[in-house]
Amino acid sequence: AQKITQTQPGMFVQEKEAVTLDCTYDTSDPSYGLFWYKQPSSGEMIFLIYQGSYDQQNATEGRYSLNFQKARKSANLVISASQLGDSAMYFCAMREDDTGRRALTFGSGTRLQVQP
Amino acid sequence: GAVVSQHPSRVICKSGTSVKIECRSLDFQATTMFWYRQFPKKSLMLMATSNEGSKATYEQGVEKDKFLINHASLTLSTLTVTSAHPEDSSFYICSAYLAGTYEQYFGPGTRLTVT
Repeated sequence: AQKITQTQPGMFVQEKEAVTLDCTYDTSDPSYGLFWYKQPSSGEMIFLIYQGSYDQQNATEGRYSLNFQKARKSANLVISASQLGDSAMYFCAMREDDTGRRALTFGSGTRLQVQP
Repeated sequence: GAVVSQHPSRVICKSGTSVKIECRSLDFQATTMFWYRQFPKKSLMLMATSNEGSKATYEQGVEKDKFLINHASLTLSTLTVTSAHPEDSSFYICSAYLAGTYEQYFGPGTRLTVT
């Protein structure tokens, strides 16, 4: 079974509007972390936001917020007030703590295109 | 935030030769680094976990004799692609784990083209 599922290969959004990128995950570990990264065409991985499994509140970082629904195992990224520079690939990733494995497992990504 | 560098950023080599890629944590010590591989328009796939002072842990299906990993110091891990073939052409990205935090910092990646 896929550990991280991103069902939207591509998304379009108008500049200045909000967009939600979906991510669901699968783990039996009670302790885990969820990440979102942005990858522009240059290839670098830019960290956006982190949510720990025990965090009570949804994480927010500027225009980015993570809609964490633990019972549904979803961790959707919300980008508010989209900008042209937000056009990129977005990856959801998970780290499972109980395995002692600190590496991240990535989803297949969503390509976001912001239109003027 | 912390900085991780990779060198070279791009490399073209002939089939049969070996290529070494360096991953450095510039302002922190990293006992654990990770090597990922990314094919065009695909996701990142973990290749191996690099542990300072000990052998790397390879993921299933990754040939340890082909992808040699050395983590000789707390700030440097190297990935050597031995006897490279065109199918090894890919984008290789390393990350370094900041101990005691959840944070992983990624290098800018190395694009390898084998002709």
